[in-house]
Amino acid sequence: EIVMTQSPATLSVSPGETATLSCRASQNVGRNLAWYQQKPGQAPRLFIFAASSRANGVPARFSASGSGTEFTLTISSLQSEDFAVYHCQQHDNWPLTFGQGTKVEIK
Amino acid sequence: QVQLQESGPGLVKPSETLSLSCSVSGGSITAYYWSWIRRPPGKGLEWIGSVYFSGSSNHNPALKSRITMMTDTSANHFSLRLNSVTAADTAVYFCAASGYFKKPFDYWGQGILVAVSS
Repeated sequence: EIVMTQSPATLSVSPGETATLSCRASQNVGRNLAWYQQKPGQAPRLFIFAASSRANGVPARFSASGSGTEFTLTISSLQSEDFAVYHCQQHDNWPLTFGQGTKVEIK
Repeated sequence: QVQLQESGPGLVKPSETLSLSCSVSGGSITAYYWSWIRRPPGKGLEWIGSVYFSGSSNHNPALKSRITMMTDTSANHFSLRLNSVTAADTAVYFCAASGYFKKPFDYWGQGILVAVSS
């Protein structure tokens, strides 16, 4: 099983600042990596697919990069609606696995 | 726009079977691959399994022997049965849709909290 490790667990950021989230895979997953945003009481929403492509409706302040085992999600100029939990997920190998999530909270 | 809605009991007794259904609207059950994902309290998301209307499926090995997944093309819904539940199966359960096996989940249901307790 591919273990996905996200860091940090919690990120405290002020509105308008930049947040950088990390996701590491225990094995090479190529670019088969997705990021989801989840707000309390809501379902996760696909934000990034193929490691760096934004899903429909995702603002340009969200950017993502990486391949293989190291991936990054960057949120520039954080807005109030961006404070949430972000999950990474590999879909390269069975079983599909997620990271533990990074909570982006208001500082 | 595909919409998904989970339904089922919110409380299941230990050793019994958890049964959930996911109703699909805005799209055909034959057009997507259907998955179940859960999030235990205080933990990350865990993929349970994925199924296609043809019967092809993949399951999380950690749960495989306890899982049954089915699709119903006439009713446009799919289901999950997880037997011999314990407190460790307490979680919010989500149904989700992807364009193919091993693709990101494009659509999600709102989730349903299932507690395992006597």
